[in-house]
Amino acid sequence: EPEVTQTPSHQVTQMGQEVILRCVPISNHLYFYWYRQILGQKVEFLVSFYNNEISEKSEIFDDQFSVERPDGSNFTLKIRSTKLEDSAMYFCATKGGRGVETQYFGPGTRLLVL
Amino acid sequence: KQEVTQIPAALSVPEGENLVLNCSFTDSAIYNLQWFRQDPGKGLTSLLLIQSSQREQTSGRLNASLDKSSGRSTLYIAASQPGDSATYLCAVLFGNEKLTFGTGTRLTIIP
Repeated sequence: EPEVTQTPSHQVTQMGQEVILRCVPISNHLYFYWYRQILGQKVEFLVSFYNNEISEKSEIFDDQFSVERPDGSNFTLKIRSTKLEDSAMYFCATKGGRGVETQYFGPGTRLLVL
Repeated sequence: KQEVTQIPAALSVPEGENLVLNCSFTDSAIYNLQWFRQDPGKGLTSLLLIQSSQREQTSGRLNASLDKSSGRSTLYIAASQPGDSATYLCAVLFGNEKLTFGTGTRLTIIP
């Protein structure tokens, strides 16, 4: 069964450093999302991406965050200058089309900012 | 504000019992509702998706129901097994692209 993959599975970084989290969507999926889950808290929406542009973003997704699909396959989340509070599990999700279809989640990247 | 609530936060039941997990949401104008399973430190596995026009969905031992008018969904697990131990998350699509998640119910099946 096709699945969403994410790399790396774990990343440790120093505060202020830039990190890039990568996601390979299910082939032919058109809608892409990033969510995050701080330890012990709810899964929170960050951003949705369709047709090479952001379609919606949350209050969390400030100027330190950016997303792109640089090569038509990978979907990346960049955090320009990490803060301690960015430590979380980051999930990529993808969906085939508009409407009522399931969002398929990747296994997540656990980011630890020291 | 659109919110999703899951009660209880934790539940322990003996193996073999049937059980029900609850999810409530504040806005009846939902697009769909999804139930996920999350194992410790792992990703989210989609279990069932119920469209707003549906009343229930079934997959194996799992049955999810939806009552939009009361803002509730339940996930029924029949004949529980130790392998069912996990956190179960309810997530609602409120007519836009983002899923709004509940805090989850941590389920422990006691052998």
